[in-house]
Amino acid sequence: SQQGEEDPQALSIQEGENATMNCSYKTSINNLQWYRQNSGRGLVHLILIRSNEREKHSGRLRVTLDTSKKSSSLLITASRAADTASYFCATDDGNNRLAFGKGNQVVVIP
Amino acid sequence: DSGVTQTPKHLITATGQRVTLRCSPRSGDLSVYWYQQSLDQGLQFLIQYYNGEERAKGNILERFSAQQFPDLHSELNLSSLELGDSALYFCASSVSGFDTGELFFGEGSRLTVL
Repeated sequence: SQQGEEDPQALSIQEGENATMNCSYKTSINNLQWYRQNSGRGLVHLILIRSNEREKHSGRLRVTLDTSKKSSSLLITASRAADTASYFCATDDGNNRLAFGKGNQVVVIP
Repeated sequence: DSGVTQTPKHLITATGQRVTLRCSPRSGDLSVYWYQQSLDQGLQFLIQYYNGEERAKGNILERFSAQQFPDLHSELNLSSLELGDSALYFCASSVSGFDTGELFFGEGSRLTVL
């Protein structure tokens, strides 16, 4: 099954800075989702963008989707210490399977 | 709190043994998904059930099996356990079984095989 691949794998930033993560995938998708996971905890859904959408906002989150390049980006603006977590992109290939990438570890330094 | 309940939270067992992980989905959700998370493999989709029927299958080993009961709770059975089966097992639920929208994850069951 296809799998999103996030880049970069680890990111360390100062509180108040913006954090950007990228995700690439291999085949056509119905939607792409981003999830957050605090250490050892369950994943929490952040945002879903459908294949016919190019950009979506939710609070301090901005997601873009470029289906021609098969890539997506997640921007977290004005980061906070509480944003420290792993962030995963996940793609729905239309076969009821949501495939997750390896995750981006983000550390926000107060 | 996602509304998805998984038990047990932690489980330590020996190689060759069999364990059962339990999941109660969010009220009203008909789909249940099982994922395995390990350091080397990342998050791997195992299997999905919708309203009691298997809907999609991923990288699930033959030693593993799952089912969804009429009350919509699900169980994942892992048998002939190996050291490599040590991982965090997540259950997630969603309303629909036809379009993979937002998934609600439980806190996971951490399995350690010694």
